[in-house]
Amino acid sequence: NAGVTQTPKFQVLKTGQSMTLQCAQDMNHNSMYWYRQDPGMGLRLIYYSASEGTTDKGEVPNGYNVSRLNKREFSLRLESAAPSQTSVYFCASSEGTVPIGGKNIQYFGAGTRLSVL
Amino acid sequence: SQQGEEDPQALSIQEGENATMNCSYKTSINNLQWYRQNSGRGLVHLILIRSNEREKHSGRLRVTLDTSKKSSSLLITASRAADTASYFCATDGGGSYIPTFGRGTSLIVHP
Repeated sequence: NAGVTQTPKFQVLKTGQSMTLQCAQDMNHNSMYWYRQDPGMGLRLIYYSASEGTTDKGEVPNGYNVSRLNKREFSLRLESAAPSQTSVYFCASSEGTVPIGGKNIQYFGAGTRLSVL
Repeated sequence: SQQGEEDPQALSIQEGENATMNCSYKTSINNLQWYRQNSGRGLVHLILIRSNEREKHSGRLRVTLDTSKKSSSLLITASRAADTASYFCATDGGGSYIPTFGRGTSLIVHP
């Protein structure tokens, strides 16, 4: 049981390049999330998907797009990378969409460390 | 923007001592969660406390919640070097089920 798997673990891009961060979960969770973590800023929500077929913007969506490919997979795309997008990106999933019975407890992947030069 | 804010930002103690970190938040909540993040790893859920609960225990962890003061504390008793990590509180409420994370407390436990 792998939980939440993110690929790649590390990536270096040049300004203007594009890339897709992949995330998959094997816990049959309905909801999935993408965060970025910067020093001193904590975790900030980029996009989330409450259920298969839906996506919504979080706190910092500019410069990113997402795709909920199926119930297991949620990808994050940078169309034209900028140095300001240098960060550690985390994917997470949770069982459900209501804050009852621990359904919104989040399970995190190990992260993708992205540098944009 | 962060809902929860942890205090202190950094904490350094000796093995065997207790570690206490606090979280304050601004609006009413449904739940408050604590997570741990080891260096270079993802966050791991530790404990969830509901808004109608005042205290919860899990092993060496004790969490309290004071909704009148909009604050929570996480106590780690008899700390070990392996407890060295960053600790984050996360709150949900106001119609949103998505936990909002604070900036974290960095705990170093010296052996």
